[in-house]
Amino acid sequence: DSGVTQTPKHLITATGQRVTLRCSPRSGDLSVYWYQQSLDQGLQFLIQYYNGEERAKGNILERFSAQQFPDLHSELNLSSLELGDSALYFCASSVGGRGKSPLHFGNGTRLTVT
Amino acid sequence: AQKITQTQPGMFVQEKEAVTLDCTYDTSDPSYGLFWYKQPSSGEMIFLIYQGSYDQQNATEGRYSLNFQKARKSANLVISASQLGDSAMYFCAMREESNYQLIWGAGTKLIIKP
Repeated sequence: DSGVTQTPKHLITATGQRVTLRCSPRSGDLSVYWYQQSLDQGLQFLIQYYNGEERAKGNILERFSAQQFPDLHSELNLSSLELGDSALYFCASSVGGRGKSPLHFGNGTRLTVT
Repeated sequence: AQKITQTQPGMFVQEKEAVTLDCTYDTSDPSYGLFWYKQPSSGEMIFLIYQGSYDQQNATEGRYSLNFQKARKSANLVISASQLGDSAMYFCAMREESNYQLIWGAGTKLIIKP
């Protein structure tokens, strides 16, 4: 158990809808990361927060947004969903925001857009 | 530019044999960390082992060890006495001390044969 909690585990929704994915980092970790992994693909970095502030942005679509709250949990909002958004969405956390601290991943949210 | 290369898209290994998964990297930052992750078919991303660029000894964690050759910029993962449960995708990743983003390799799919 990595200590990172993601909810829900599975989500099935229709095109055009909006969903919210939630993540609680490991105790003591200040940085939260969001990744997208499509079928048989590598990890696509979306966005990183450190202690409530955005620190790095990757290939995140404008339809997607995220935030990290004062209690350090994070939410990833996906709107105007398209079939191509179907993927496994990972949250990860680390102690530091950069450098050598490893990322610990949650079990992911599997999103299916129909 | 930072880059991670995993040259083996897939590998078949006989159970109980040792296996080496290759990873080469490119960076101009003298301080960086190298990470290996395992992703079984169930989907979770499991942190395996970490090597710092200034670490004098190769990292080891149980059956996992890292063959770190700094001059060659390689950080190969060695799994001793492979088990059927080692069948998974394995990702190599790097992060520079000065950087927020973790750079990922494309992964190697390891299949252990009984």
